[in-house]
Amino acid sequence: SQQGEEDPQALSIQEGENATMNCSYKTSINNLQWYRQNSGRGLVHLILIRSNEREKHSGRLRVTLDTSKKSSSLLITASRAADTASYFCATAYQGAQKLVFGQGTRLTINP
Amino acid sequence: NAGVTQTPKFQVLKTGQSMTLQCAQDMNHNSMYWYRQDPGMGLRLIYYSASEGTTDKGEVPNGYNVSRLNKREFSLRLESAAPSQTSVYFCASTSQAGRSGNTIYFGEGSWLTVV
Repeated sequence: SQQGEEDPQALSIQEGENATMNCSYKTSINNLQWYRQNSGRGLVHLILIRSNEREKHSGRLRVTLDTSKKSSSLLITASRAADTASYFCATAYQGAQKLVFGQGTRLTINP
Repeated sequence: NAGVTQTPKFQVLKTGQSMTLQCAQDMNHNSMYWYRQDPGMGLRLIYYSASEGTTDKGEVPNGYNVSRLNKREFSLRLESAAPSQTSVYFCASTSQAGRSGNTIYFGEGSWLTVV
């Protein structure tokens, strides 16, 4: 399977703390994307990082990519209760016309 | 602006019945996808259509067929439903598959239970 792996599978933190999720993948990629899924809903795109980029920011989100380790991390700073959701990384492999998703991290922000 | 619309949202089938999940996008996207999501399994690609007139198998195509009816619509058919096909199904689209920088837009999901 080409699926990436995310860890931790579940993360529970207090509101205001930072949350970090990690994603590892298997082969060379064009880009890596992070998506959020609220319970019972579809996935919503958060941020994309290209294979030639190392770090990217979007609001309270910070994504890093280490192609030598085939891994990425998503940092959410100053978490809020509304950040409670599942977060998935998705990789666009070179030469492939599809995104492959990881199994997700379930994030719970406690008020 | 509807984005990606899929129907039905909920369906209960008996083993052996057939049904078609419908998906339409209004963003003039070339590529469309069908994923299934099972607890703890993330999303797995069933079939995709890189452009109108083409379809390809994904990771888990067995038991499914697809039709890219036109640029807007991409349907998923279960010919003889099995309990193992109980899942949440997501349709998605993007402007051009394989191009770096293209994000995918998802429908809200279809909950299918096979009893």
